[in-house]
Amino acid sequence: DQQVKQNSPSLSVQEGRISILNCDYTNSMFDYFLWYKKYPAEGPTFLISISSIKDKNEDGRFTVFLNKSAKHLSLHIVPSQPGDSAVYFCAASEGNTPLVFGKGTRLSVIA
Amino acid sequence: EADIYQTPRYLVIGTGKKITLECSQTMGHDKMYWYQQDPGMELHLIHYSYGVNSTEKGDLSSESTVSRIRTEHFPLTLESARPSHTSQYLCASRIDLKETQYFGPGTRLLVL
Repeated sequence: DQQVKQNSPSLSVQEGRISILNCDYTNSMFDYFLWYKKYPAEGPTFLISISSIKDKNEDGRFTVFLNKSAKHLSLHIVPSQPGDSAVYFCAASEGNTPLVFGKGTRLSVIA
Repeated sequence: EADIYQTPRYLVIGTGKKITLECSQTMGHDKMYWYQQDPGMELHLIHYSYGVNSTEKGDLSSESTVSRIRTEHFPLTLESARPSHTSQYLCASRIDLKETQYFGPGTRLLVL
């Protein structure tokens, strides 16, 4: 049973607009969450993380929001750029356990 | 920028061959991981290590083995490759459990 779910396999957004990628999780003990970006034939690149003691973390164009009661987090990219086109993975961990990943959402930013 | 390396980047091999995928990091990280990923799927953890001489199996049943004789080196071995092993293999490391996990560039394996 998947503990981290990214229910949208793909998303298309126009350049300059906001991209919102969503992630749901089932394990209420998860206390650390990360977002990664992945291009084909490359390894994932870390984007941003958030601890369960926070509800928002911002880094440049990227903001992650965490709603613990809904077991939901989202990644906002503003403004979206064509170079942001990639697959985005949400990951979570509990205590000292390894990260658990979602299936990813393919973002296409259209110029 | 992460200093984690994987070789080879691409490998085409025949069924039954023994292969070793190399992973090295120069960041002094104790924790290292191997994932397998197919297109459109999540990253599946196949092995991990929290330090020298420590290895554990992950969630995905795998016919591979790993070793951790040195902190910086975490090779993965397939004793007898099969077409079902065709996938992308990703190595990762991090210094602590609440710190960023860095990935290598991956090895794309094709078993004919």
